[in-house]
Formats: sequence, C-alpha cells, structure tokens
Amino acid sequence: DIQMTQSPSSLSASVGDRVTITCRASQDIRNDLGWYQQKPGKAPKRLIYAASSLQSGVPSRFSGSGSRTEFTLTISSLQPEDFATYYCLQHNSYPRTFGQGTKVEIK
Amino acid sequence: EVQLVESGGGLVKPGGSLRLSCAASGFTFSNFAMHWVRQAPGKGLEWVSSISGGSNYIYYADSLKGRFTISRDNANNSLYLQMNSLRAEDTAVYYCAREVPITMVRGVPPDYWGQGTLVTVSS
Repeated sequence: DIQMTQSPSSLSASVGDRVTITCRASQDIRNDLGWYQQKPGKAPKRLIYAASSLQSGVPSRFSGSGSRTEFTLTISSLQPEDFATYYCLQHNSYPRTFGQGTKVEIK
Repeated sequence: EVQLVESGGGLVKPGGSLRLSCAASGFTFSNFAMHWVRQAPGKGLEWVSSISGGSNYIYYADSLKGRFTISRDNANNSLYLQMNSLRAEDTAVYYCAREVPITMVRGVPPDYWGQGTLVTVSS
C-alpha cells in the first residue's frame, strides 16, 4: 500500500502569508495526486488534481507542484476564507490513501 | 447540475447492519467510478471502497475485513454500501464521491462529493 505522509499537521498563519503544505508518497505515484480543502461540517472540495492542475473556479492563489514522491500545495497569499483543513490524496493505485491532514489556523 | 445525495445513516448497535445509499443525478452515472470515503468525528478522511462504472472492479480498505459490500445500480443511478458486523470504530460520516477513471486503478481524484450521512455505532 502507498503511504502518504503530510506535513505539517497544523500551522498558524496570518492573512497575506504564503503557506506551503507537503505530501510525500512512499513510492512513485507519477503525478496522481489531488489536494482538497475541508471546512467543518462540509464535504471536501477539490482544489488541485494531477498534482498541479487547478480546479475550475478555485482562486489562482492556490497552486500545486511536484511529481513521483514529493508534492506541495502552496497558498500564495492566505485569505480569511482559506482557514480550513487540507488533505492530499493519491489516486495512482488502490487502496486510495489520504494524507493525515493539515489544519490551517489563524495566527 | 451534478448532485450526490447520501442516505441511510443512523444509530445502530454494535454487531448490527446498515445499508447506505447514494443517489446520483446530473451526469452519466455509468461513466464514473464511485467511492465511499468516511470521516470519524474529529479525524481525517479515510477511503473505504470503490467500484468501477460497470461494477467489474471493486476495491475495499483492508481494515474492513469483508464486513462491507459496495454495489451500484446504473439503471437507477444509485450507489450502495452494505455494512455488516458494525463496530464502534465504524462511527463516521460516510461520503460518496465520483471519479473519472483513467485505467482500472488510476483515475482523476473525485471532483463531486455528497454532503455525507452519519453512522453512529453505539449500544
């Protein structure tokens, strides 16, 4: 099974900050990685697919990069509505595996 | 408009059974693989099971150990999860989600998710 190691588990940041979240895969998953945002009581929302493709309607301050085993989600300038929990998901093979999540909190 | 609506959750005693449903609309259901993903209270997302568009390929999380069965009815645009021998650790919100398949194992990560249905296993 492919393990996804996401870091950090939480972070505190201010509006306007640049934020970076990392996911490492235990084996090569090509670019088969998605990033999701989840707010309390809501379903996950897809932000990025295929490691770096921005979901339609998602602000351009969100970007994804990486391939094979190292992936990054970057928020270039944190906005108040971005405080949430973020997850990576590998969709290269089964079982599908999520990262543990990163909670982005207000500093 | 794409919609996924889960139902069937509720309170069940340990050892009991429950059948979840997911009603799909707004897209050609049979063209998509479908997933069940769960989230225990205060915890992260956990993939549960997946089924291909034609039901040819079915996958389960190892942790389920044969207790859950996924199925679909393309004629009625519905996805199901039969859950047996339920345990306290199965308590979670269960989401259904759709995925565009690339191969039998690769796909584009789910774009649409339902709102979730809560399953509580407690005596």
